[in-house]
Parts: sequence; structure tokens; C-alpha cells
Amino acid sequence: AQSVTQLGSHVSVSEGALVLLRCNYSSSVPPYLFWYVQYPNQGLQLLLKYTSAATLVKGINGFEAEFKKSETSFHLTKPSAHMSDAAEYFCAVSGTRNQFYFGTGTSLTVIP
Amino acid sequence: GAGVSQSPSNKVTEKGKDVELRCDPISGHTALYWYRQRLGQGLEFLIYFQGNSAPDKSGLPSDRFSAERTGESVSTLTIQRTQQEDSAVYLCASSVDGKGGYTFGSGTRLTVV
Repeated sequence: AQSVTQLGSHVSVSEGALVLLRCNYSSSVPPYLFWYVQYPNQGLQLLLKYTSAATLVKGINGFEAEFKKSETSFHLTKPSAHMSDAAEYFCAVSGTRNQFYFGTGTSLTVIP
Repeated sequence: GAGVSQSPSNKVTEKGKDVELRCDPISGHTALYWYRQRLGQGLEFLIYFQGNSAPDKSGLPSDRFSAERTGESVSTLTIQRTQQEDSAVYLCASSVDGKGGYTFGSGTRLTVV
């Protein structure tokens, strides 16, 4: 079975600082991993995905995530936070049979 | 269509009434999910359809909730005898195989008054 755990339901960073949102997964099969972003009053948008190719995945808006099998992690990072990055971020894992599991989300606040 | 389409975008209903929410997935997408998102909260899994397999209904919160999908086409989520706690955004997502992630619709915002 697959599952994801997002550490930290709320993260605050200063504008220009590093963004690090943590996601650990559990999977009995090679996973496909995803990060979604939800801006206020909007739907969910795919930020990036890992599908067993390169372990460092680059997404939109300067975000990237690194798949680390030894740590069962897929943390999301951005070198320099922007005010427009304030949103809810969801990590998700997909395994066999297309089943899809979301984490509980991390709310990112960017402090000017 | 180009994306996942949900209708209506907003629905206000009186407590006790039945409502029907519609999701039109991307053509060719065999997998379809319904999620519920209450204000300020994460995604709550409701039901999962995969092709012609029996749906995974394990997330439906009560027998007032039901969903149908014919083949790989439109899905409808029905809530009978709505309660105020049913107020939420109901999100639909579809995928061709799960590997590329799911595409979400913009949701239906349900308000029960």
C-alpha cells in the first residue's frame, strides 16, 4: 500500500529565503510521486512529478524536488521564496492500479 | 475536452434537499477520483473509479453519498438529504494511468443552508 506523510502543516519563510516542504512516502512498489499546489480559492495544479527517470525533478515556478529512495523522501524546495508562492502544497503518491494518495497538505506563508 | 469539467461551479441548497454534482473527465482517462475539501482543510478521499472495475467506495462518509460512472465517461456524485456539514468544495480528478498525475477540475462549491 502507498501513503505519504507531510511534516509540518504550516511553514513560514521570509521572502527570498529557502523553501523546504517535507514529504515522506511509503510504497511497496516503485512509486510515482507528485507535488500539487493550491492557491487561495483555486483548484489544484500539478507542480512537478517523479516517474522513475531523473531523481531531481524540476517543476514550474522555480520549484524542484529530489527523490531519495534511501530516505523514502520527496522534499520540495525553492531557493528563494516569493510572495506569490504562498499557497497550500500537497504531496501525493501513485502506485499500482492508478490509486492515488494525498498528504494532508502544508500551508506555506511568505513573510515580506 | 481539454480539461476536467465540473458542474455546477457553485451550488446553494437547503438542508434536506438532494444534490447532484457532475464531473466530465478528460477523454480517454480511465481513472477518476472524487475528493471533498472542507474550508481550510486537506483533501478527503470519497470514491475512486478505475475503468470497468468495481469502484472503491471506502471514502464515502455515509449512505447519503453515492456516485456513478458509466464506462470511462461522466461521473455524478449524489448527496441525499444534505446536511450543513456537507458544505465543502467537491473536487474531481482524472488520469489516463496515474503515472503522469491527476488533472483536477475546478470543483463544485456546495453550500447547505
